[in-house]
Amino acid sequence: GDSVTQMEGPVTLSEEAFLTINCTYTATGYPSLFWYVQYPGEGLQLLLKATKADDKGSNKGFEATYRKETTSFHLEKGSVQVSDSAVYFCAYLMDTGRRALTFGSGTRLQVQP
Amino acid sequence: NAGVTQTPKFRILKIGQSMTLQCTQDMNHNYMYWYRQDPGMGLKLIYYSVGAGITDKGEVPNGYNVSRSTTEDFPLRLELAAPSQTSVYFCASSQPGQGVNEQFFGPGTRLTVL
Repeated sequence: GDSVTQMEGPVTLSEEAFLTINCTYTATGYPSLFWYVQYPGEGLQLLLKATKADDKGSNKGFEATYRKETTSFHLEKGSVQVSDSAVYFCAYLMDTGRRALTFGSGTRLQVQP
Repeated sequence: NAGVTQTPKFRILKIGQSMTLQCTQDMNHNYMYWYRQDPGMGLKLIYYSVGAGITDKGEVPNGYNVSRSTTEDFPLRLELAAPSQTSVYFCASSQPGQGVNEQFFGPGTRLTVL
């Protein structure tokens, strides 16, 4: 069935290290893709999004490119900060019907000073 | 503009009790959703609504009920609470046609059933 698979965490990095969090999806059709971030004790915030193949979403130094051929939407950041410590969720949404998000299980990122 | 608000923030229930989780949005969005987040897992869709008076089941609806009498409010009802309903509950809203169907989330309600 339709699903999102993310790399398991936690991912522990030192400040200024390069970050990659892998995400692949299985969906019928052409979904929109999202990365949400959840800081400790808070709700989900949209980090970035992409609506079609080869689109690149970017925000706060994070980037992800919609790769239709590999059904992937990997999250990257060139230099992480302690304040980036959070749980990151990959998700997709079909623009028909319920228009509800299908989420991956989340990846916890811990950035150490 | 408060966005999506949820009450209460925390609640402890005993097995068999019932309660209503409140959700309100002030963005005039037609679509509203209830998700639950279990530890170490992504969010699962419980129920959703595409407009006032219209609701439908998501992936995990058992043990829950919803109503949508107004555009703003989308309460989630738990009848006969069970330990399996211990979770964090998030309400969200969106408006198709406004950007990429971005969903806006409330801060969540942490529910424990003992």
